[in-house]
Amino acid sequence: DAKTTQPPSMDCAEGRAANLPCNHSTISGNEYVYWYRQIHSQGPQYIIHGLKNNETNEMASLIITEDRKSSTLILPHATLRDTAVYYCIVRVANYGQNFVFGPGTRLSVLP
Amino acid sequence: NAGVMQNPRHLVRRRGQEARLRCSPMKGHSHVYWYRQLPEEGLKFMVYLQKENIIDESGMPKERFSAEFPKEGPSILRIQQVVRGDSAAYFCASSSGGTDTQYFGPGTRLTVL
Repeated sequence: DAKTTQPPSMDCAEGRAANLPCNHSTISGNEYVYWYRQIHSQGPQYIIHGLKNNETNEMASLIITEDRKSSTLILPHATLRDTAVYYCIVRVANYGQNFVFGPGTRLSVLP
Repeated sequence: NAGVMQNPRHLVRRRGQEARLRCSPMKGHSHVYWYRQLPEEGLKFMVYLQKENIIDESGMPKERFSAEFPKEGPSILRIQQVVRGDSAAYFCASSSGGTDTQYFGPGTRLTVL
């Protein structure tokens, strides 16, 4: 699986959009970009994933650049409960492929 | 639709005892993954199972650890003769196959005294 690079930490003001970047310059054509988050010591929570088109769901939006070498997770209106470690993972979307979690980005939403 | 369930949520064992961790996947899911998270570290893959089969155990320690996913009942991660270094959070995830988004349980926190 391709390696990803994320900033170790970010701050965001409550109510503002949180934009979390991820670089994956060695991504292969059949690898998806997944985002998970881990709030405190809870189990990782699935957020969103995509291949090359931008994706949006009730939690977030995922913007993938045209060359697919980087992406941005957008939380449109961050709340204090969005404080968590956010993981960007690229992997082939076949069953049986485990997720390789890096250190992620620690997002702190500030009041 | 209930999510992935794990029990117990907290488990305390003395060195040399056995630990059994259970995972019930989401309804309709037949793929189970176990991950371990040591204190202040990221999650590490341990093993991937389908019903009655171990598919990938490349992340499992070679000794004392075993896993099963029987035809009926939850998946079990078993740690024999626990040592202090086994203290960690153990997470289970399940998926239905296909594009295989994995959904994680709340974890079991194992403390070895």
